[in-house]
Amino acid sequence: GAVVSQHPSRVICKSGTSVKIECRSLDFQATTMFWYRQFPKQSLMLMATSNEGSKATYEQGVEKDKFLINHASLTLSTLTVTSAHPEDSSFYICSALPTSTDEQFFGPGTRLTVL
Amino acid sequence: AQKITQTQPGMFVQEKEAVTLDCTYDTSDPSYGLFWYKQPSSGEMIFLIYQGSYDQQNATEGRYSLNFQKARKSANLVISASQLGDSAMYFCAMREGLEGYQKVTFGIGTKLQVIP
Repeated sequence: GAVVSQHPSRVICKSGTSVKIECRSLDFQATTMFWYRQFPKQSLMLMATSNEGSKATYEQGVEKDKFLINHASLTLSTLTVTSAHPEDSSFYICSALPTSTDEQFFGPGTRLTVL
Repeated sequence: AQKITQTQPGMFVQEKEAVTLDCTYDTSDPSYGLFWYKQPSSGEMIFLIYQGSYDQQNATEGRYSLNFQKARKSANLVISASQLGDSAMYFCAMREGLEGYQKVTFGIGTKLQVIP
């Protein structure tokens, strides 16, 4: 089956630092990847849609200069939270869309804690 | 208006019994897809079942079935023969359009607890 990995699974950082989260499709190519954020006891909210080789499309209210997305290859997308603050603490989940199907496959998530 | 509404914040079910998790949706797009995902405490999102707006029959996947009532805009998930491992958060989601790259919107979820 289609497997998506995320690294790291958990990260704790100090306020003001930047954190990079990787999302990899392990056994398929993904032209499109999605980044979601989930606050405790809440639903997944789409942050941005990442397309290989082009700029990401951000949802309304998501700061593109704060959440930098790079989708440099068909198997890797990265999300960098720049100058992280405690309010950015959340569960970040990526999903990848194989080029051959309409179904997203989700990564296991990254729990970010900003102190 | 909420695109996906899940009105049951929490549900309990006895092991081996069936349970229905409610979901209603709102869209004016005639082409859409409906999903159910399971999220255990570990956090990963596990795909359970999909129903396309033009599908004539209700989707089924093993113990999961989707009760699709198009006129009522409801897409309830039925889990038969509940197991302890079914305890998790369940999210209903909708994609407006049938293309995979289109945005998926999630409901707020229902926490299901299976009682031994």
